[in-house]
Amino acid sequence: EVQLVESGGGLVKPGGSLRLSCAASIFTFDKAWMSWVRQVPGKGLEWIGRIKSKSDGGTTDYAAPVKGRFTISRDDSKNTLYLQMNSLKTEDTAVYFCTTVGYADFVLDRWGQGALVTVSS
Amino acid sequence: EIVMTQSPATLSVSPGERAALSCRASQTVSSNLAWYQQKPGQAPRLLIYGASTRTTGIPARFSGSGSGTEFTLTISSLQSEDFAVYYCQQYNNWPPEPTFGGGTKVEIK
Repeated sequence: EVQLVESGGGLVKPGGSLRLSCAASIFTFDKAWMSWVRQVPGKGLEWIGRIKSKSDGGTTDYAAPVKGRFTISRDDSKNTLYLQMNSLKTEDTAVYFCTTVGYADFVLDRWGQGALVTVSS
Repeated sequence: EIVMTQSPATLSVSPGERAALSCRASQTVSSNLAWYQQKPGQAPRLLIYGASTRTTGIPARFSGSGSGTEFTLTISSLQSEDFAVYYCQQYNNWPPEPTFGGGTKVEIK
């Protein structure tokens, strides 16, 4: 059974930084493509970005609102996905989910339980 | 950006009845359309991809149809565990980025 557990959420001031982690219990994590999605509490879903497996190039793609501020990375030796968030804005306040990518690119197969990030002064 | 519009925003249905949820894309997405279910306090769950293919473990009462710009998720006979919010998502050809609809809440009538 695939399990994804996010951590690192919390309260941060505007302009600050935060790094989320996603620990994955996936036998073949190094071959998995992974994504981050966020959700403002009570609102809809927003795709943030995706990282391919290293064997597929390890490249990343980002949504326009976070491009240049957020960075997705992975440590396959630790089965862990990261989301480094810089220059945070109040509108970045949301629950952040890590997901696997399955069946097709950008299809979000398995989800973690989410981590709440609050950006407020 | 491809805008996804779901209707209705809320659907009131009695258990055992059929529910049809609509999703419209602002431009064609071919069959690159997924449906997710989200219950309160939980992460979304993938139900359908490729507009009509159910993922592992999803009951046959869930079916997806459509292509191009018009899509439908049908729940043939609502069970108590089906009351939730449903989101559609297009993932047609990066770029542009994948986008979600605003969701349809299926509530007990």
